[in-house]
Amino acid sequence: NAGVMQNPRHLVRRRGQEARLRCSPMKGHSHVYWYRQLPEEGLKFMVYLQKENIIDESGMPKERFSAEFPKEGPSILRIQQVVRGDSAAYFCASSPSGRASGELFFGEGSRLTVL
Amino acid sequence: EDQVTQSPEALRLQEGESSSLNCSYTVSGLRGLFWYRQDPGKGPEFLFTLYSAGEEKEKERLKATLTKKESFLHITAPKPEDSATYLCAVLYNNNDMRFGAGTRLTVKP
Repeated sequence: NAGVMQNPRHLVRRRGQEARLRCSPMKGHSHVYWYRQLPEEGLKFMVYLQKENIIDESGMPKERFSAEFPKEGPSILRIQQVVRGDSAAYFCASSPSGRASGELFFGEGSRLTVL
Repeated sequence: EDQVTQSPEALRLQEGESSSLNCSYTVSGLRGLFWYRQDPGKGPEFLFTLYSAGEEKEKERLKATLTKKESFLHITAPKPEDSATYLCAVLYNNNDMRFGAGTRLTVKP
C-alpha cells in the first residue's frame, strides 16, 4: 500500500514563475491537507480539501496561492508569480476521515527554491 | 490566539539517558493532542493521539502523557536511532490544528 506521494521532491523556480506541487493521497483517503515548513519552524497549516471541495483554507495566503483536489487525479497546490519568501518545504498529508483522529499520513515533501 | 509551544528547542542525550520533552498549549478547547516524529528530509510520522487529561500512550521507549495545559513525551533509555525532531500538534474545538516548532533530539552513542 503506497504512502502519500508528492512530486516533484525538489523544484527550482525563478521569481515570477509558477510552481505546481502534486500530491496523491494514500489509497482510500479522501481528505488532503497541505502544510508549509520553513527551516527550524513548525508546520504551518495552509489548506484542507476533500474530493472536489475546499473545507478550510484559512492558512492559505489570499493571493497567488490556490489548491484543488479534483474528482480524478492528485491534489495540486499552485503558487503563481513565486517570490523568494515562498522558498520552503511543502508537505501534503492525507487521512481516511477528518482531522479529529489526528492521524495524518504525510508525504516526503516538495522542496521549493525560488532564485 | 491559540498557541502550541515546545521545549526545549534542542536536546542532546547520551544513549540510555532518559528525559522528557514538553508541549504546552493555550487552553481554549482541546479536541486532541498528537505527537509526531520527523527525520531530516522526511515527512512527519504519526506517533500518538491523546484526547483527555490523565491519558497515557506508550510505544517502545516512548510514553506520552497529557494534562489540562501540557503534554510530555518521556523517552526512556534512548538509543541513537531515536534521534529526530519530535512535533506536537493540537486540534482545537474550532477545528484549528496547530503544530509546535518541535524539539530536535540527538542521542549520542
